[in-house]
Amino acid sequence: AQSVTQLDSQVPVFEEAPVELRCNYSSSVSVYLFWYVQYPNQGLQLLLKYLSGSTLVESINGFEAEFNKSQTSFHLRKPSVHISDTAEYFCAVSALGGSEKLVFGKGTKLTVNP
Amino acid sequence: NAGVMQNPRHLVRRRGQEARLRCSPMKGHSHVYWYRQLPEEGLKFMVYLQKENIIDESGMPKERFSAEFPKEGPSILRIQQVVRGDSAAYFCASSHRSLGGNEQFFGPGTRLTVL
Repeated sequence: AQSVTQLDSQVPVFEEAPVELRCNYSSSVSVYLFWYVQYPNQGLQLLLKYLSGSTLVESINGFEAEFNKSQTSFHLRKPSVHISDTAEYFCAVSALGGSEKLVFGKGTKLTVNP
Repeated sequence: NAGVMQNPRHLVRRRGQEARLRCSPMKGHSHVYWYRQLPEEGLKFMVYLQKENIIDESGMPKERFSAEFPKEGPSILRIQQVVRGDSAAYFCASSHRSLGGNEQFFGPGTRLTVL
């Protein structure tokens, strides 16, 4: 079985400041890793994913995440946030070779203040 | 190309009634997942279906809940004799199989309120 821990339930930051949203996972098998973003009253949108290869993955809007196998982490970072980044962010894993169901963390609410 | 469609967006039921939630996957997608999001919680997997088959229902409550994905038409999540604890947002996602790690595309969700 897999589990995902997002250590911070809420992260307030000022505009143009850097941010890191932390994600740790536990699994007895290899996993794929995902970050999803949810804007108010909307469904989830994929932000980025790690399947294999380079451990650093990037999104088109400036976010990046690094897979660290030894620390079982997949933290999300952005060097300079915008007001429009205010949303809830979910880290998720799915087991290789399984049904590809996603196991989610509880989410981190990012609030970017002017 | 329309995204994943869910209806209704909001559903209010009284205790003991039935709730039917519908999900139309993206065009070309034959895999559907249902998740439930309780307040202050992340999404929890419920069931994974392909056309006419339930592949993984390990997250479904043993009683009152059922799901189907018929050959024609949307996937349906059915909750019989609803209770207040069923109040939640229910999200459907769809994907197509390739080599694994497929992106799941989520619908906007159905927010169920049980009075």
